[in-house]
Amino acid sequence: GAVVSQHPSWVICKSGTSVKIECRSLDFQATTMFWYRQFPKQSLMLMATSNEGSKATYEQGVEKDKFLINHASLTLSTLTVTSAHPEDSSFYICSARKLDRYTFGSGTRLTVV
Amino acid sequence: QQQVKQSPQSLIVQKGGISIINCAYENTAFDYFPWYQQFPGKGPALLIAIRPDVSEKKEGRFTISFNKSAKQFSLHIMDSQPGDSATYFCAASKGSSNTGKLIFGQGTTLQVKP
Repeated sequence: GAVVSQHPSWVICKSGTSVKIECRSLDFQATTMFWYRQFPKQSLMLMATSNEGSKATYEQGVEKDKFLINHASLTLSTLTVTSAHPEDSSFYICSARKLDRYTFGSGTRLTVV
Repeated sequence: QQQVKQSPQSLIVQKGGISIINCAYENTAFDYFPWYQQFPGKGPALLIAIRPDVSEKKEGRFTISFNKSAKQFSLHIMDSQPGDSATYFCAASKGSSNTGKLIFGQGTTLQVKP
């Protein structure tokens, strides 16, 4: 149990375009979902916390207009990287929480060229 | 107060040996302490977790030791195997909180030599 599906697993996009990443909890309803960013050989950096039906809470230094988060249901959250630039290239990982268990997606490797 | 400090940054262990990774936290409000294993290009996977009301928890070859007074916890991997080679993260959260965001340590890259 507790499976989180994240798509796509990798994406290459042109500079200036937008990319949407989906995160679904397949067999449970998540009270909260989280989005992380991870650079090579570094830890996970929390970008934002989202609850179903409400606005996401962004961590300090994260541009909310660049990283749009939509949490339409208890099983789906999306992260849209708007007007992507090469510096946005990174590994993005979502996590879904139910009670005190946090389950992570398999991550999305974004490369902006 | 939100930091979780993890050491060592990297660790090399012989097959069959014991791998030990340590973490320290500052925020006494944290009440949930998980360890995650991450392979390259994959998301973290939960290994084992502990709450502050117990001092030790064991699941198979993995053991968490927890010292509440010292605000430290550690992961012990017994009989380490080459397949255990991965990056390990400790984390902490206020599990009882509605927001309950996980704060991660810096990570430890473990290499188990055959």
